Amino acid sequence: AQKVTQAQTEISVVEKEDVTLDCVYETRDTTYYLFWYKQPPSGELVFLIRRNSFDEQNEISGRYSWNFQKSTSSFNFTITASQVVDSAVYFCALIETGTASKLTFGTGTRLQVTL
Amino acid sequence: DSGVTQTPKHLITATGQRVTLRCSPRSGDLSVYWYQQSLDQGLQFLIQYYNGEERAKGNILERFSAQQFPDLHSELNLSSLELGDSALYFCASSVDSYNYGYTFGSGTRLTVV
Repeated sequence: AQKVTQAQTEISVVEKEDVTLDCVYETRDTTYYLFWYKQPPSGELVFLIRRNSFDEQNEISGRYSWNFQKSTSSFNFTITASQVVDSAVYFCALIETGTASKLTFGTGTRLQVTL
Repeated sequence: DSGVTQTPKHLITATGQRVTLRCSPRSGDLSVYWYQQSLDQGLQFLIQYYNGEERAKGNILERFSAQQFPDLHSELNLSSLELGDSALYFCASSVDSYNYGYTFGSGTRLTVV
């Protein structure tokens, strides 16, 4: 069965620090998709990135970067030069191709960025 | 605006009552998913519909039911409500069942008192 683990429950950083959010997943499928979502205090779920299991190329988008490593079943997310507006709960999620596209979420990491 | 519309945004009701949550998917999306987010259970998949038909079921209670109508909007019906049903209920949509990217609505916050 698919499973996503976010071991970090809560992280607090000071603005401008870099922060990495960890995500480890379990799946028996060879084809799967990984996601990161952001949930700000307002409550909505905002899509950040999708990565498929065949594409291990890491990605940078502005202050965000993602490190996907199949060998360790990890899909970590780094925010560079964090800002107060980055304060939110971040969820890692997984879809296996054989599960009718059911998205399985991790328990989330609450990031608090202070001045 | 994500394109997925959920109504109402907030709902307060008493135990034992029944409520209906509504979701309009993003234009062109055939799949609708319902998720429940509670403090103790996290984000849990409830049910998926694809073009009017039930496609997958998750941890959905028997007191809960859903449907997707010909115009593709979906409703989640919650009956015999209990205090523990208080949660944020999200609807999401995607183009087809294997388009690996959901767009979520802003959620309906249900409070059972």
